[in-house]
Amino acid sequence: EDKVVQSPLSLVVHEGDTVTLNCSYEVTNFRSLLWYKQEKKAPTFLFMLTSSGIEKKSGRLSSILDKKELFSILNITATQTGDSAVYLCAPRGSEKLVFGKGTKLTVNP
Amino acid sequence: NAGVTQTPKFRILKIGQSMTLQCAQDMNHNYMYWYRQDPGMGLKLIYYSVGAGITDKGEVPNGYNVSRSTTEDFPLRLELAAPSQTSVYFCASSTYNEQFFGPGTRLTVL
Repeated sequence: EDKVVQSPLSLVVHEGDTVTLNCSYEVTNFRSLLWYKQEKKAPTFLFMLTSSGIEKKSGRLSSILDKKELFSILNITATQTGDSAVYLCAPRGSEKLVFGKGTKLTVNP
Repeated sequence: NAGVTQTPKFRILKIGQSMTLQCAQDMNHNYMYWYRQDPGMGLKLIYYSVGAGITDKGEVPNGYNVSRSTTEDFPLRLELAAPSQTSVYFCASSTYNEQFFGPGTRLTVL
């Protein structure tokens, strides 16, 4: 059975802090892993990773995939209040994504 | 491009009623999905489709039905609404690289 575990489930930080969100997975026929940000609406796409060790960067956000150890991390540096959201990890199997429960990040001013 | 559209945005149903949640995409994607999201939980896959005429069950298909007669449309049918189906429903379509979500339908069954 496909499984995705995200940790921590919840995190509260102050503006300017750096955070690391974790995602471990077991998915049949793994193809790629996607990260999404969800505020009070539909998830929005952040990254897709397909190869181990490749670090994706977009401004203050970066992500790494380890296909051998079956995990990914999402880093956010210099956090801002606008980063407050639920971050979802979703590895892709043959035809579908399997979503974790998410990490709820709260960034206080 | 409108992307992925869903109607209605909100709906309240009585127990035992039926309804269809509409989903359409204009990106010519073959893959389409229906998810539900309960408060504080992740997304759970209800049904998905890899192309017109082809559908398959996801993680939580009981109480729902789908059809895919065209590439653009992927409606979700609830036949006998139950309180356990109170949730936010998201439709999505995808390329290989990315999945695009609709704005969601908030459904309450009383």
